[in-house]
Amino acid sequence: DVKVTQSSRYLVKRTGEKVFLECVQDMDHENMFWYRQDPGLGLRLIYFSYDVKMKEKGDIPEGYSVSREKKERFSLILESASTNQTSMYLCASSPGGAGGPYEQYFGPGTRLTVT
Amino acid sequence: AQSVTQLDSQVPVFEEAPVELRCNYSSSVSVYLFWYVQYPNQGLQLLLKYLSGSTLVKGINGFEAEFNKSQTSFHLRKPSVHISDTAEYFCAVSDGWDDYKLSFGAGTTVTVRA
Repeated sequence: DVKVTQSSRYLVKRTGEKVFLECVQDMDHENMFWYRQDPGLGLRLIYFSYDVKMKEKGDIPEGYSVSREKKERFSLILESASTNQTSMYLCASSPGGAGGPYEQYFGPGTRLTVT
Repeated sequence: AQSVTQLDSQVPVFEEAPVELRCNYSSSVSVYLFWYVQYPNQGLQLLLKYLSGSTLVKGINGFEAEFNKSQTSFHLRKPSVHISDTAEYFCAVSDGWDDYKLSFGAGTTVTVRA
């Protein structure tokens, strides 16, 4: 089975802190995604990576950056956390190459609270 | 980019009754459609998908969905729900064969009561 793991289930940080959210997948997938999930808004794409060191902005990239140094790992960085970044963060991965679009496999999520 | 509208935010339903969750998307030449489910305190998992072919798609746990191009809809149905179907359901759309990005609806919370 595909497994996508996220480093923390719950995280509490202070305003202005630098926050790292880590995601690891074990299926050698090319594509990895970071979403935030808010009630009534569904999932919104923050960033997308289609290969090591390659990234593409999603719909709401402001205030976030990402890093993908290894194929299996995709990190989301909040440079200076703010209270409006309190949310559930979901990581996902999917295969790449021709023949898509493919199913995305999701991690359990990290609920981040910024105080 | 696609937009996805899930017409009901909350759907209460009694056990063993049928349920229908409605999803409409903005028009596109080609479109690929997904339904995901999120059980409490878990990530999302795929219920079913439409890429091409038959417009009636069967998924896991007895769910099915029908793609209707003229009405730009992809409604999800189950003829008889169980308590364990209590979850949030998301409709998602991709509008390109090599476009790996999905646009998600706001979600529909289904609460099944005994």
